[in-house]
Amino acid sequence: GQQVMQIPQYQHVQEGEDFTTYCNSSTTLSNIQWYKQRPGGHPVFLIQLVKSGEVKKQKRLTFQFGEAKKNSSLHITATQTTDVGTYFCAGNKVQGAQKLVFGQGTRLTINP
Amino acid sequence: DVKVTQSSRYLVKRTGEKVFLECVQDMDHENMFWYRQDPGLGLRLIYFSYDVKMKEKGDIPEGYSVSREKKERFSLILESASTNQTSMYLCASNRESYNEQFFGPGTRLTVL
Repeated sequence: GQQVMQIPQYQHVQEGEDFTTYCNSSTTLSNIQWYKQRPGGHPVFLIQLVKSGEVKKQKRLTFQFGEAKKNSSLHITATQTTDVGTYFCAGNKVQGAQKLVFGQGTRLTINP
Repeated sequence: DVKVTQSSRYLVKRTGEKVFLECVQDMDHENMFWYRQDPGLGLRLIYFSYDVKMKEKGDIPEGYSVSREKKERFSLILESASTNQTSMYLCASNRESYNEQFFGPGTRLTVL
């Protein structure tokens, strides 16, 4: 079946350092979403990417969708303690389909 | 403000018991989902429903069933709980053709 692999599983950084998590799918995706889960919380939607090669920014967060629509990345510039949490990517194989396949998540911890 | 609620935050049950997890959304969403979240495995889809009385199996439906008698309510049933069903269970919902999923706070189920 469709798999979405996400690396790294854990990342610890000093506050102010950059952070990147990568997502790779075994099949072409219709779109990819990113979610953030704070410690003790539930996943919260961040963004959706649909177009090949698409890049979107939200303040210090930059999201990319690969040209082949098989990979994606989330980059955080100059991390802050509020960025702590687990970041998940989730892909749809078929346009309009509701079944998301989630990556394993990257847990980000930050040393203040 | 959108809201997905789950009946319990924490639940402890014994092996063999029948367990009901309830989820209610107040956003008039067509689609509802049940996931389980385990460390290192991300979120895995158990079942989802795209309409009242309609359901589809997700990636790990074995040992679970679901019920959706009303649009706002989606129940997950463990017919005979086993220790390997100890996990965090997350309910989510979204509007048809709109991919962002809204998650409930989760139920941490322990089966002894």
